[in-house]
Amino acid sequence: GDSVTQMEGPVTLSEEAFLTINCTYTATGYPSLFWYVQYPGEGLQLLLKATKADDKGSNKGFEATYRKETTSFHLEKGSVQVSDSAVYFCALSGLGGSYIPTFGRGTSLIVHP
Amino acid sequence: EAQVTQNPRYLITVTGKKLTVTCSQNMNHEYMSWYRQDPGLGLRQIYYSMNVEVTDKGDVPEGYKVSRKEKRNFPLILESPSPNQTSLYFCASSDTSGGYNEQFFGPGTRLTVL
Repeated sequence: GDSVTQMEGPVTLSEEAFLTINCTYTATGYPSLFWYVQYPGEGLQLLLKATKADDKGSNKGFEATYRKETTSFHLEKGSVQVSDSAVYFCALSGLGGSYIPTFGRGTSLIVHP
Repeated sequence: EAQVTQNPRYLITVTGKKLTVTCSQNMNHEYMSWYRQDPGLGLRQIYYSMNVEVTDKGDVPEGYKVSRKEKRNFPLILESPSPNQTSLYFCASSDTSGGYNEQFFGPGTRLTVL
């Protein structure tokens, strides 16, 4: 079945460091891909999305490119801030007309001043 | 403001005492679902609903019930809660048109069953 694999955390960085959180997926077809962010004490919210191959989603300085050839959607940010500390979830949906999303397990990011 | 609301936000209860967690959305979304979040296990789907009166089991439905009598509401019912249902619960909704479906999440309900 469909699946999403994220790197395990926690990822611990100093402020202004470069961030990469890896995400790969397994799917028969071409899903839409998403990154959600969960700040402490809150629900998940959409961070960025890409709906077709080679699309780049971006928001709040974060970017991710839909790579069909490597079935990946890695999240990057050039310079993290303490306020970026959160749990990040990679997800896919839209396969075969299905609205049911598949989530990765989440990666916790801790940014120190 | 477009939002998903859940109540209560925090609940401590005892084994066997029936409880209901409410979920409501104001975006006219067809699709609604319930998840539980546990450390190391990520999000696991409990039940989902494609529209009014249409519900189906997710990955971990045992011990839970849902109903969808109105489009905006999707309550989660625990008929006889047990300690292994202590968890953080999220309701989510999404539109089913447009080719992709962003999920909108509620703020979460932290449930403790003693």
